[in-house]
Amino acid sequence: SYVLTQPPSVSVAPGQTARITCGGRDIGTKSVQWYRQRPGQAPVLVVYDDSDRPSGIPERLSGSNSGNTATLTITRVEAGDEADYHCQVWDSGSDDGWVFGGGTKLTVL
Amino acid sequence: QMRLQGSGPGLVKPSETLSLTCNVSGGSISSRNYYWVWIRQPPGKGLEWIASIYYSGETYYSPSLRSRVTISVDTSKNQFSLNLSSVTPTDTAVYFCVRQTTMVPWYFDYWGQGTLVTVAS
Repeated sequence: SYVLTQPPSVSVAPGQTARITCGGRDIGTKSVQWYRQRPGQAPVLVVYDDSDRPSGIPERLSGSNSGNTATLTITRVEAGDEADYHCQVWDSGSDDGWVFGGGTKLTVL
Repeated sequence: QMRLQGSGPGLVKPSETLSLTCNVSGGSISSRNYYWVWIRQPPGKGLEWIASIYYSGETYYSPSLRSRVTISVDTSKNQFSLNLSSVTPTDTAVYFCVRQTTMVPWYFDYWGQGTLVTVAS
């Protein structure tokens, strides 16, 4: 089975840059999505196909993917960015289907 | 505006069947551009894909849940449903109904608000 590994938590001060990683075997060969989930709410797609943003998502959020690590980068972090962030891929090499990472809690200090 | 609204019992007894329905509004469930999906999230944990269905009835299931899950679609009512049999307390979770694109990379672009289902006697 295909496993995606995320750090449980990341903390950053307002105005700084947050980087949230998502590790997986040869993840650079897959398309990675990122979802933001604020407390008590449903997830929202913020990055798809490694680095594309849906309309309405600010340019401060960006994605990259290479080798065994995908990264979601949030620049000029704001209080409103505090949320859980989940990475997701489709694993074509197994029967697992659509796989999510365990999620990372971003705390704005 | 696309909206997905899940509904169903909030409490299910162990060994019974969990049944949820998702009403889709603001668009047709018969669109060729989307799958319709159930995803769950146990309290304090990550997201888990359960199953996907196309308007034609074509289905995909998570290997870990396949033996207990049935997903179905009713195009006349613009809704789709989930049945999960023989539930245990580990099936306690928020269940989301979700829209998924049919084009690569098959991302999940609209989510319902989620329905908390607790499995307890």
